[in-house]
Amino acid sequence: AQSVTQLDSHVSVSEGTPVLLRCNYSSSYSPSLFWYVQHPNKGLQLLLKYTSAATLVKGINGFEAEFKKSETSFHLTKPSAHMSDAAEYFCVVKPSGTYKYIFGTGTRLKVLA
Amino acid sequence: DTGVSQDPRHKITKRGQNVTFRCDPISEHNRLYWYRQTLGQGPEFLTYFQNEAQLEKSRLLSDRFSAERPKGSFSTLEIQRTEQGDSAMYLCASSWVESEQYFGPGTRLTVT
Repeated sequence: AQSVTQLDSHVSVSEGTPVLLRCNYSSSYSPSLFWYVQHPNKGLQLLLKYTSAATLVKGINGFEAEFKKSETSFHLTKPSAHMSDAAEYFCVVKPSGTYKYIFGTGTRLKVLA
Repeated sequence: DTGVSQDPRHKITKRGQNVTFRCDPISEHNRLYWYRQTLGQGPEFLTYFQNEAQLEKSRLLSDRFSAERPKGSFSTLEIQRTEQGDSAMYLCASSWVESEQYFGPGTRLTVT
């Protein structure tokens, strides 16, 4: 069965320090992987996606993620957190051969001044 | 900006009543998705349309739920005989082929 696990429900960082949001997936075949962000009272927005091209994927707002097949991981990172990064982040897997997108339970990122 | 729109934004209904939600996708998008999101959880896939054809439906979707996209444009999601467990945010998203999904603001359903 396909699934996605976000290892931390809450992450707190100080402004200007690195961000790491962890995601592990389970999928039978080569999946597509995504990170979405949801700001309070706003719709979900795509940060970045992996679709079997380069394993290091760059997204918007300075975020990037690395696909590691051997570890079945797709962790999201950013070198320096900004106050505006505070939001809920979702890791998403789309198994090949389906139209179904499977969301993780989310990681709430808090950025401290 | 003609993004994905959903109507209504909020719906309060009594248990046992039927409700219908509407989603208007971005006009050139041929793919449309419905999700349900409860507090503290990620969106849960409900169903997928490619043009007017419903190509995938979650096994979690009970017979009380039905969705249509009659002309390949807007879509409706109907819940019959609502239960308190149906209280959630219902999200619609659209995309063009394999491109990024664009999400609407959602319809928040409260069943009393």
